[in-house]
Amino acid sequence: AQTVTQSQPEMSVQEAETVTLSCTYDTSESDYYLFWYKQPPSRQMILVIRQEAYKQQNATENRFSVNFQKAAKSFSLKISDSQLGDAAMYFCAYRSKETGANNLFFGTGTRLTVIP
Amino acid sequence: DAGVTQSPTHLIKTRGQHVTLRCSPISGHKSVSWYQQVLGQGPQFIFQYYEKEERGRGNFPDRFSARQFPNYSSELNVNALLLGDSALYLCASSLGGFDNSPLHFGNGTRLTVT
Repeated sequence: AQTVTQSQPEMSVQEAETVTLSCTYDTSESDYYLFWYKQPPSRQMILVIRQEAYKQQNATENRFSVNFQKAAKSFSLKISDSQLGDAAMYFCAYRSKETGANNLFFGTGTRLTVIP
Repeated sequence: DAGVTQSPTHLIKTRGQHVTLRCSPISGHKSVSWYQQVLGQGPQFIFQYYEKEERGRGNFPDRFSARQFPNYSSELNVNALLLGDSALYLCASSLGGFDNSPLHFGNGTRLTVT
């Protein structure tokens, strides 16, 4: 079974600075998706960024970018120019391409605090 | 356009009771998935329904069941509630069942079992 590990329960960053959240995963599959979701106090899970395993280029979405290291099974999220609105729980998630279902396997999350 | 809507937002039940949670997907989305998020943990997959058929099931007991209606809305039912069923239940919809369309989540139903 796939497992996703987020080793940083909490992180903090100064406003306008850069922070990196870590994620590792375990799988025997060769093709899959990886995601970062943000969960603010409103509880809604919001997709931040997505990476397809066969694409070597790291995904970017405005201030958000990933460092995808397939051999190391590592998928970290970098947030640049941090804003107060970035404060939330961040979850790393894995989705198989081989099983057919679209179920996600989530890590335990990292709580990000942004300091004004 | 309305997002994924879930009802109720909060619910308090007693051990042994039954509960029904409801989810309306984004218009045009045919797949609905349910997740359980226990406090301090990431969400865990319970079910996926696509075109009214179960397409995936997580590691949950038979006390958990779900169905999808012709309008693609969905219900999650939990029988014989246990204290450990207290959690945030999230519904997510997507366009298809097996494609790579992204999941869109609702705000969840907070279930407390006493």
